[in-house]
Amino acid sequence: NAGVTQTPKFRVLKTGQSMTLLCAQDMNHEYMYWYRQDPGMGLRLIHYSVGEGTTAKGEVPDGYNVSRLKKQNFLLGLESAAPSQTSVYFCASRETGAEESYTFGSGTRLTVV
Amino acid sequence: GQQVMQIPQYQHVQEGEDFTTYCNSSTTLSNIQWYKQRPGGHPVFLIQLVKSGEVKKQKRLTFQFGEAKKNSSLHITATQTTDVGTYFCAGRGAGGFKTIFGAGTRLFVKA
Repeated sequence: NAGVTQTPKFRVLKTGQSMTLLCAQDMNHEYMYWYRQDPGMGLRLIHYSVGEGTTAKGEVPDGYNVSRLKKQNFLLGLESAAPSQTSVYFCASRETGAEESYTFGSGTRLTVV
Repeated sequence: GQQVMQIPQYQHVQEGEDFTTYCNSSTTLSNIQWYKQRPGGHPVFLIQLVKSGEVKKQKRLTFQFGEAKKNSSLHITATQTTDVGTYFCAGRGAGGFKTIFGAGTRLFVKA
């Protein structure tokens, strides 16, 4: 049981390049989330999904897009990377109950130069 | 909108000393969760509190949920070097869907 798997673990991009971060979960969870973590800022929600085929904006969605074509996968895209998007990105999933906890992936460390 | 504030931002302790981090919400919470993130790692769920005034213990860790369900604390007794990391609280607003994470308290333990 792998839980939540994120790929890649590390990536360096040049300003203006695009990339997709992949998140896969094998727990059959309905809800999936993308967070970014910056020093002193905690976890900030980028986008989330409450089920296959649905997505919604979080608190810092600008510059990112997401897709949830399959229940187990949640993709985060950067169309034109900027240095301000240098961060550690975490994917998380959870079941639908209000008292369900989050399971996080191991993170993707992205540097935009 | 709902805000979750966590203090202190960081704390240095000598091994064996106690440590407490506090979490305060601007609105009433339906539940609060605590997570631990080791340096270079990812957040890992520790515990959830749901009831007003609830207290739960995990070995040397004691978690409390305030009577008004707007604040919470995590207390570690006799810290060990294995306790190092960042502790996050995460609160869900009453009647709301989203869980808001606090900024975390980073704990440094000196042997």
